[in-house]
Amino acid sequence: KAGVTQTPRYLIKTRGQQVTLSCSPISGHRSVSWYQQTPGQGLQFLFEYFSETQRNKGNFPGRFSGRQFSNSRSEMNVSTLELGDSALYLCASSVQNQETQYFGPGTRLLVL
Amino acid sequence: SQQGEEDPQALSIQEGENATMNCSYKTSINNLQWYRQNSGRGLVHLILIRSNEREKHSGRLRVTLDTSKKSSSLLITASRAADTASYFCATRGSGNTPLVFGKGTRLSVIA
Repeated sequence: KAGVTQTPRYLIKTRGQQVTLSCSPISGHRSVSWYQQTPGQGLQFLFEYFSETQRNKGNFPGRFSGRQFSNSRSEMNVSTLELGDSALYLCASSVQNQETQYFGPGTRLLVL
Repeated sequence: SQQGEEDPQALSIQEGENATMNCSYKTSINNLQWYRQNSGRGLVHLILIRSNEREKHSGRLRVTLDTSKKSSSLLITASRAADTASYFCATRGSGNTPLVFGKGTRLSVIA
């Protein structure tokens, strides 16, 4: 099976812009989670989707949003970008949320 | 907020030595997982241990879990230079709770 794919891999934006990141889970996986990783804060949970429903949300401002489509693909959107949003954004999929998560390679976002 | 806290933050050993990393957590869990991350890349799942298990092995990896002390350890035996990476523990509570990661241990294995 193909692994989790994330697009784009690298992105440079300026403050105030918005960005959409995409994640395609492993075939058959219905749960998709998103994480933000920074050197200072480590891996922070953003949100989790299962069968198109947001099941959990982390402690991030409303500028961070996401959705999941009927084919389990997921997108996350960050509006009004701030310098502090520069990070590696990781997507992970699993069959069900209690089990092993399989991570994609991440999207590295740089906000200037 | 982080649930797991790894110790030490960084570890440097010679090839062939064993590496031990510890993880402590605060609340009750359904399972605890260990992941590895090579520099700036995605995480790779290593092992999952459930709350009713005490020890698990996978190749050169041994994981223990002590729920009374809310702690886990990851032992890598006969380490190799390719084991150089960051190692994270992650805990999952009961129900539909998210996986929560610690800040990781940076392991350097010197050839």
